[in-house]
Amino acid sequence: DVKVTQSSRYLVKRTGEKVFLECVQDMDHENMFWYRQDPGLGLRLIYFSYDVKMKEKGDIPEGYSVSREKKERFSLILESASTNQTSMYLCASSPTGAVYEQYFGPGTRLTVT
Amino acid sequence: AQTVTQSQPEMSVQEAETVTLSCTYDTSESDYYLFWYKQPPSRQMILVIRQEAYKQQNATENRFSVNFQKAAKSFSLKISDSQLGDAAMYFCASTISGNTPLVFGKGTRLSVIA
Repeated sequence: DVKVTQSSRYLVKRTGEKVFLECVQDMDHENMFWYRQDPGLGLRLIYFSYDVKMKEKGDIPEGYSVSREKKERFSLILESASTNQTSMYLCASSPTGAVYEQYFGPGTRLTVT
Repeated sequence: AQTVTQSQPEMSVQEAETVTLSCTYDTSESDYYLFWYKQPPSRQMILVIRQEAYKQQNATENRFSVNFQKAAKSFSLKISDSQLGDAAMYFCASTISGNTPLVFGKGTRLSVIA
């Protein structure tokens, strides 16, 4: 089975801290994605990556950056966490080519106080 | 740009009954793909069903089926013989290729009443 794991299920950070959210997939997928999920807003795309060291901005990249040094790992970085970044963060991966489903991780619920 | 709209924030259904969740989308592309994802409480998002726009036949997966109306840009999900385990958030999503991100609707929370 495809497995996408995220480093933490719950995380509490203080305003201004630098925050790292890690995502690892074990199926050699080329594509990886970071979404933010908020009630009433659905899933919004923050960043995605088609390959190692490649990244593309999604719909809401402000305040975030990403890193993909290895194919299986895609990190989301909050440079200076703010309270409006309190949210559920979902990572997903998919193979390239044909339109296969995206496989999601369990999510990280981040609270910034 | 693609958009996906789910107009029902919440729905409920009696166990063993049938429920239909609505989804409309907008795209200027002729080839695209549509999905329904399920997110159970505190559990991972999983794919329920997918539909390729070029296929006229509606997709079916066991108790789950879709009503794909291409001209109306409608893609509803029907759940038959609803079970308690069907209670979840359901997201409709769309993409135009395997290398482009999914565009999600805002979700419908489905409750199943015993």
